[in-house]
Amino acid sequence: GAVVSQHPSWVICKSGTSVKIECRSLDFQATTMFWYRQFPKQSLMLMATSNEGSKATYEQGVEKDKFLINHASLTLSTLTVTSAHPEDSSFYICSARDLAGADFDEQYFGPGTRLTVT
Amino acid sequence: AQSVTQLDSHVSVSEGTPVLLRCNYSSSYSPSLFWYVQHPNKGLQLLLKYTSAATLVKGINGFEAEFKKSETSFHLTKPSAHMSDAAEYFCVVSEPSSASKIIFGSGTRLSIRP
Repeated sequence: GAVVSQHPSWVICKSGTSVKIECRSLDFQATTMFWYRQFPKQSLMLMATSNEGSKATYEQGVEKDKFLINHASLTLSTLTVTSAHPEDSSFYICSARDLAGADFDEQYFGPGTRLTVT
Repeated sequence: AQSVTQLDSHVSVSEGTPVLLRCNYSSSYSPSLFWYVQHPNKGLQLLLKYTSAATLVKGINGFEAEFKKSETSFHLTKPSAHMSDAAEYFCVVSEPSSASKIIFGSGTRLSIRP
């Protein structure tokens, strides 16, 4: 089955620094990837849709200058949290769609990245 | 517009008894519906999905769900709960378009009593 990986699985950073999270589709090409944020005991909130070769589409209320998304290849999307603050601490999950697959509407999720900002 | 409502934020059952997690959806088109499970500090694992084929869908770990268009429901069931089933469960709706996003329900936490 389709596999999506994320790196790192967890990261601790100091307030004011930037952190990059990678999302990779390992055995398929993903023209579209999605980034979610999950607070403790809450559901996933879609942050942005990442499109290969074009600008990401951000959901309302998500600061595009703070959460930089780059989708430079068909298998890699990155999320950079710039000038991180403690309130950015969260569980970040990416997903990808295999548009060439039979179930094009299914999203394959990465294992998530736990970000803690001190 | 599409939406999904999970009717129970928390369900607690005894080990060996049936599980019922309720989900209602709203969609303008014929939706695809999914159930995902998330164990603590883990990513999401697909349990099962409905994509306009058989209305009774069987998934992994003994779970199944029935798509009822007249009731706009997609409830998740399991005949006999196991301790390892304790987790967070999300009902998800997606409309049949390559540009469509998916919408998550608020989640149901399933607890299993020994």
